[in-house]
Amino acid sequence: EIVLTQSPGTLSLSPGERATLSCRASQSVSSHSLAWYQQKPGQAPRLLIYGASSRAIGIPDRFSGSGSGTDFTLTIRRLEPEDFAVYYCQQSTTFGQGTKVEIK
Amino acid sequence: EVQLVESGGGLVQPGGSLTLSCGASGFTFSNFWMSWVRQATGKGLEWVAHIKDDGSVKSYVESVKGRFTISRDNAKNSLYLQMNSLRAEDTAVYYCAREIVGGLVDLDCWGQGTLVTVSS
Repeated sequence: EIVLTQSPGTLSLSPGERATLSCRASQSVSSHSLAWYQQKPGQAPRLLIYGASSRAIGIPDRFSGSGSGTDFTLTIRRLEPEDFAVYYCQQSTTFGQGTKVEIK
Repeated sequence: EVQLVESGGGLVQPGGSLTLSCGASGFTFSNFWMSWVRQATGKGLEWVAHIKDDGSVKSYVESVKGRFTISRDNAKNSLYLQMNSLRAEDTAVYYCAREIVGGLVDLDCWGQGTLVTVSS
């Protein structure tokens, strides 16, 4: 069973800063099935990235995904106020534990 | 507009049963694999089950195998989750979601969720 470990657990940043979120898999995984989601309190998750680097429909280009094998990254180029949320990576049926991006 | 609406959640005693429904609109439901994902209060996301577009393939997380059954009615644009032998640890918000690429569980559209509480 694949385990996804996200780091850091919490990221404290200011609007306008760059956010770099990591997702590490316990074994090599296919990039085709690596996705990232954003979830705000009281809301359902929203798909940001699928196939490791493809942005979902309507997702701003400040969000980008990269990586392969066991190491994947979600980058938010310049944080907007609406980007402060919890982010999850997912490989097929397994989710990471989440990274909270909070306002510093 | 693509929309998923869950219903059927509520309070149930341990060992009881509940059936969740998810109504789909705004897209051709019969073309898409569908998933159920749950989230306990304050916790992360857990994939529960998914079903192929024609209903011929179903998969479950180990913890619900033998207790939960996923099904669909393409004529009614509806997805279901029959939950039996419910346990306290099944307490969560249950979301239905559409898979953008069938079988890969990339979930591009989610419902608002329905709360299931298992408690005596």
